[in-house]
Amino acid sequence: EAQVTQNPRYLITVTGKKLTVTCSQNMNHEYMSWYRQDPGLGLRQIYYSMNVEVTDKGDVPEGYKVSRKEKRNFPLILESPSPNQTSLYFCASSRRLDLDYGYTFGSGTRLTVV
Amino acid sequence: AQKVTQAQTEISVVEKEDVTLDCVYETRDTTYYLFWYKQPPSGELVFLIRRNSFDEQNEISGRYSWNFQKSTSSFNFTITASQVVDSAVYFCALSEKKVGGSNYKLTFGKGTLLTVNP
Repeated sequence: EAQVTQNPRYLITVTGKKLTVTCSQNMNHEYMSWYRQDPGLGLRQIYYSMNVEVTDKGDVPEGYKVSRKEKRNFPLILESPSPNQTSLYFCASSRRLDLDYGYTFGSGTRLTVV
Repeated sequence: AQKVTQAQTEISVVEKEDVTLDCVYETRDTTYYLFWYKQPPSGELVFLIRRNSFDEQNEISGRYSWNFQKSTSSFNFTITASQVVDSAVYFCALSEKKVGGSNYKLTFGKGTLLTVNP
């Protein structure tokens, strides 16, 4: 089944403890992206990647890192999480770089930083 | 400037009523794509429809229909004879080139929470 797999689904952590949210897609998509969803703000792009080793900042990149060492994987790294990074995170991939078919989304990761 | 505007933050209807969710977008591109996604209470994001800027045909899929009008930069979504299972947050999105570059991004509206009461 074609899908984007995110792990974990739920995570509670403490301020400052490094964490990684994994994302993997099995559709050979070149484009991958991370979004965060917050009440009243909708979905905002954190980072995106056009291909292996090609990443760029989205609208809200502060406090996050990403890497794209393999085409299928696009992990999101929080080096020193803070409470304002408590949010619902989505990984997404797209079959074309012009996003003409939109995204396939992962199931989401609900992160709470205390 | 907001690129995708969903002016209705919340809508509440009674089952079997028709409901229209509004979406107004702003872009300078001549080629762009518009989408609707559904987010049920379980939280996942489900693709509903895409439309490219050259295709203004309205589309109907069962109880769902979409009205795309370039003249008013709108891409509205109507649910006919709403059901409780339609209760969700609905997002409109626009794919366009990033300002000053050749890369694309998908910009989402802030969503409309639809509650269908029995």
